[in-house]
Amino acid sequence: DAGVIQSPRHEVTEMGQEVTLRCKPISGHNSLFWYRQTMMRGLELLIYFNNNVPIDDSGMPEDRFSAKMPNASFSTLKIQPSEPRDSAVYFCASKLGGWEETQYFGPGTRLLVL
Amino acid sequence: GQNIDQPTEMTATEGAIVQINCTYQTSGFNGLFWYQQHAGEAPTFLSYNVLDGLEEKGRFSSFLSRSKGYSYLLLKELQMKDSASYLCAVRESVVGQNFVFGPGTRLSVLP
Repeated sequence: DAGVIQSPRHEVTEMGQEVTLRCKPISGHNSLFWYRQTMMRGLELLIYFNNNVPIDDSGMPEDRFSAKMPNASFSTLKIQPSEPRDSAVYFCASKLGGWEETQYFGPGTRLLVL
Repeated sequence: GQNIDQPTEMTATEGAIVQINCTYQTSGFNGLFWYQQHAGEAPTFLSYNVLDGLEEKGRFSSFLSRSKGYSYLLLKELQMKDSASYLCAVRESVVGQNFVFGPGTRLSVLP
């Protein structure tokens, strides 16, 4: 299995621009998570989906952030407009449903907003 | 409020045993997780405790005391490759998957 795939791996953009991060979960996994990691705030859960449905988006920092999961094999996290404080590493993770507790993280997208 | 505490840094010697502590105060509890994260890489799952006691998995063990809001990760027979950050995380909700992560403990294993 290829594991969780994220793209792009690195993104540099200017303040005000739209940023779209992409994630392909492991095939057969039905829970998907988006995280953000910074030195100041550590690792934070932004939103998670179960069977493609957003369950809890209370971690999404503000309306500039939105996430979608149109099907079981693809999810996006969009920031519009981006701000310098959004600079972070964004991880996507997936896991099987039921009693399985192991989350598998993708390699992350390193975002720098200038 | 939510609060998870871990030591910021620890140093140990190759072949030794190290214990990384985690204390938590969260609005709810439905499991405690430990992750390992090497510099510049993604976290990888190490262990999960939901009941009090010790869970052993090879060289790694994790302990939980819910009444004390306390967990530790025990690493035995330390190897150089164990140098990494170790993140403690609590799942707060019984029905959901909302996680709160601690700041992480950076472990350096010296020869």
